[in-house]
Amino acid sequence: SQQGEEDPQALSIQEGENATMNCSYKTSINNLQWYRQNSGRGLVHLILIRSNEREKHSGRLRVTLDTSKKSSSLLITASRAADTASYFCATDPVQTGANNLFFGTGTRLTVIP
Amino acid sequence: KAGVTQTPRYLIKTRGQQVTLSCSPISGHRSVSWYQQTPGQGLQFLFEYFSETQRNKGNFPGRFSGRQFSNSRSEMNVSTLELGDSALYLCASSSRTGNTGELFFGEGSRLTVL
Repeated sequence: SQQGEEDPQALSIQEGENATMNCSYKTSINNLQWYRQNSGRGLVHLILIRSNEREKHSGRLRVTLDTSKKSSSLLITASRAADTASYFCATDPVQTGANNLFFGTGTRLTVIP
Repeated sequence: KAGVTQTPRYLIKTRGQQVTLSCSPISGHRSVSWYQQTPGQGLQFLFEYFSETQRNKGNFPGRFSGRQFSNSRSEMNVSTLELGDSALYLCASSSRTGNTGELFFGEGSRLTVL
């Protein structure tokens, strides 16, 4: 399976703390994306990092990508209760068709007010 | 601009029945992808349509099929339902024609098979 693995599976932090989630994958990729999902709802795109990029920022989000280790991390700074959700990494492998993303297993983040 | 719309949001079927789910993409998006989400298998790619043509297909049995209409709206059908087909079915649209960019997801159709 090309599905990625994320760790931790669950993370619980206090409001204001930083949250870090990690993603590992198996194949060469065009890009890696992070999505957020509130319970039972659709996924919302957070950020995309291309294979030739090492770090990207968007607001309180910071994503890193290490293609040599086939891993990525998502950092959410100054977390808020509203950040409580599941977070998924998704890879766009080089040898698959367009819009065929392979999703990780997800990290369930709980931010305690 | 309206988002991706999926109908119905919830449905209950019994084993052996069939079901059709509908997805209206964001206006101007010509690519529609379908994903199945279950607690055990996570998010899995079903298929992707672009300009009424299926371009990619995931590793699902032939009971899972789809189509896309000239207005880019898409439907997926599952025949001879099994208990394991209970899942959240997510549709996503994209304006990209080549490498995958951002996907815009609908709220999903939650199917329960009894």
